[in-house]
Amino acid sequence: EAGVAQSPRYKIIEKRQSVAFWCNPISGHATLYWYQQILGQGPKLLIQFQNNGVVDDSQLPKDRFSAERLKGVDSTLKIQPAKLEDSAVYLCASSLRLAGSSQGTQYFGPGTRLLVL
Amino acid sequence: DQQVKQNSPSLSVQEGRISILNCDYTNSMFDYFLWYKKYPAEGPTFLISISSIKDKNEDGRFTVFLNKSAKHLSLHIVPSQPGDSAVYFCAASAFQNQAGTALIFGKGTTLSVSS
Repeated sequence: EAGVAQSPRYKIIEKRQSVAFWCNPISGHATLYWYQQILGQGPKLLIQFQNNGVVDDSQLPKDRFSAERLKGVDSTLKIQPAKLEDSAVYLCASSLRLAGSSQGTQYFGPGTRLLVL
Repeated sequence: DQQVKQNSPSLSVQEGRISILNCDYTNSMFDYFLWYKKYPAEGPTFLISISSIKDKNEDGRFTVFLNKSAKHLSLHIVPSQPGDSAVYFCAASAFQNQAGTALIFGKGTTLSVSS
């Protein structure tokens, strides 16, 4: 079974530029998450989707970050304009949706390492 | 305010010995706990989980213990192997980890196993 795919793996941009990340979840996984991991910290949730609907985006800085999951499969996360503090690894994860069960284990992609100069 | 705390940034263990990684949490609504392992330049990999209705879960060399009254869990690795050297993240969620419930992660503990 193929895992969660992400691209690009690395990105270097200057502040005030824009950048986009792409994620393809595990086939059949209805739930998709974007996390931000700053160096020395654990991953922090930015947004989660259930199929193509947003479940939680309370921690997404909406003035500069946006995300979509058209057709309930692939997802893109965009930052516009980027700030120095956005330098981090952006992780995508997906999980099955089985109501009432404990099968919500999240599987992570390799991440995109972003450096903002 | 950190809801999941891993107070030891690093741990060094000799091959063959037991590794014990600790995690504390503050939110009494958490009812599902997971451990992830992360190698450099890779995403976190799911290792083992435990529901709050249990106090122990075992999978091969890995055992997770949960002490709800102390809001504490630990991961035991026996015997430790050099390939276990990685960063270990403790994570927690509420509502029985139903899909759609975000994970709250600790800062991680770097485990180094020497041969």
